[in-house]
Amino acid sequence: AQSVTQPDIHITVSEGASLELRCNYSYGATPYLFWYVQSPGQGLQLLLKYFSGDTLVQGIKGFEAEFKRSQSSFNLRKPSVHWSDAAEYFCAVGSYDKVIFGPGTSLSVIP
Amino acid sequence: SQTIHQWPATLVQPVGSPLSLECTVEGTSNPNLYWYRQAAGRGLQLLFYSVGIGQISSEVPQNLSASRPQDRQFILSSKKLLLSDSGFYLCAWSVREGRYTQYFGPGTRLTVL
Repeated sequence: AQSVTQPDIHITVSEGASLELRCNYSYGATPYLFWYVQSPGQGLQLLLKYFSGDTLVQGIKGFEAEFKRSQSSFNLRKPSVHWSDAAEYFCAVGSYDKVIFGPGTSLSVIP
Repeated sequence: SQTIHQWPATLVQPVGSPLSLECTVEGTSNPNLYWYRQAAGRGLQLLFYSVGIGQISSEVPQNLSASRPQDRQFILSSKKLLLSDSGFYLCAWSVREGRYTQYFGPGTRLTVL
């Protein structure tokens, strides 16, 4: 069965520091992969997606993610975090008829 | 451009009362529509999805139901709310062809007392 894991429940980084959020998936075929961000009390916003092609995907707000098939991973990165990046981040994998979301990683940013 | 609306934004209801949450999409036709629930501090749970008018698939057996009376309208209902129905309800849509990319509405915060 398809599944998505996000090993880090909560991460705290300093403003200006680099960020990497981990995502691992289990899927039998070539996956469609997504990262979403959710600010408190808000809906989810799509940051980026991977369907095929270049394994390094650029998204909005300066985020990027790299698909590594050998590691079944799709980690999200940002070179310099801003205080406004504090939010919940969800990795997701698309299967035949639905999208399966990971449990989320909560990001705190300290000045 | 496409937009998705949900209302109400917040709702406080007593146990045993009925529920009706509405979701509408603008700027697209024949979308797939989804209802998710997000309990406090937890991930997203898919409740229902619909690929067309009157076509509803249920993911989790519960006291909730969904209906799609119009192409771009999706309604989540309950006849009698339970305490466990409290949560953040999110509606999402996707285009039929690229159905994996889902776009979310602003959500409805439901508190059952």
